[in-house]
Amino acid sequence: SQQGEEDPQALSIQEGENATMNCSYKTSINNLQWYRQNSGRGLVHLILIRSNEREKHSGRLRVTLDTSKKSSSLLITASRAADTASYFCATDGGNQFYFGTGTSLTVIP
Amino acid sequence: KAGVTQTPRYLIKTRGQQVTLSCSPISGHRSVSWYQQTPGQGLQFLFEYFSETQRNKGNFPGRFSGRQFSNSRSEMNVSTLELGDSALYLCASSLNLGAVTEAFFGQGTRLTVV
Repeated sequence: SQQGEEDPQALSIQEGENATMNCSYKTSINNLQWYRQNSGRGLVHLILIRSNEREKHSGRLRVTLDTSKKSSSLLITASRAADTASYFCATDGGNQFYFGTGTSLTVIP
Repeated sequence: KAGVTQTPRYLIKTRGQQVTLSCSPISGHRSVSWYQQTPGQGLQFLFEYFSETQRNKGNFPGRFSGRQFSNSRSEMNVSTLELGDSALYLCASSLNLGAVTEAFFGQGTRLTVV
């Protein structure tokens, strides 16, 4: 399977803390995207990082990409209860996306 | 700018029936792809269309089919429904999936087969 894997599968933190989740993938990529999904709803696009980029920021989000290790990380700083959701990374390949297994984040108020 | 619109949002069907789901991409986007999401299998790729042509197909039986119209709207059809087809079906829209562009998803259609 070319699917990636997120780590950890589940994460529970206190509001205000930082949350870090990791994604590993198997093949070379053009870009990697992170998505958020709230309880059985659609995926919300968070950020795209290209294969020639190493780090990208968007508001409270920081994404890193290490193509030599085929891994990416998503950092959410100063987490809020509203950040409670599942987070997925997606890599492109052959006119489709390959999704990781997701990290379920719970932010406790 | 309107987002990706999927209809209907919820659907309940009986085994053996068929169903058609619709996806209207973001204006100007020509690539539409479909995914099935289940608790056990995660997000599984179904197929991708670009300018009315299917460019890629996932590992699903022939009961799953799709098409794209000239206005880029896409439909997917599932015939002879099985209980295991119960899932959240998501479509994604992008300018061109092969290029470095973001893909945006709709809210999904929750299909329940009873």
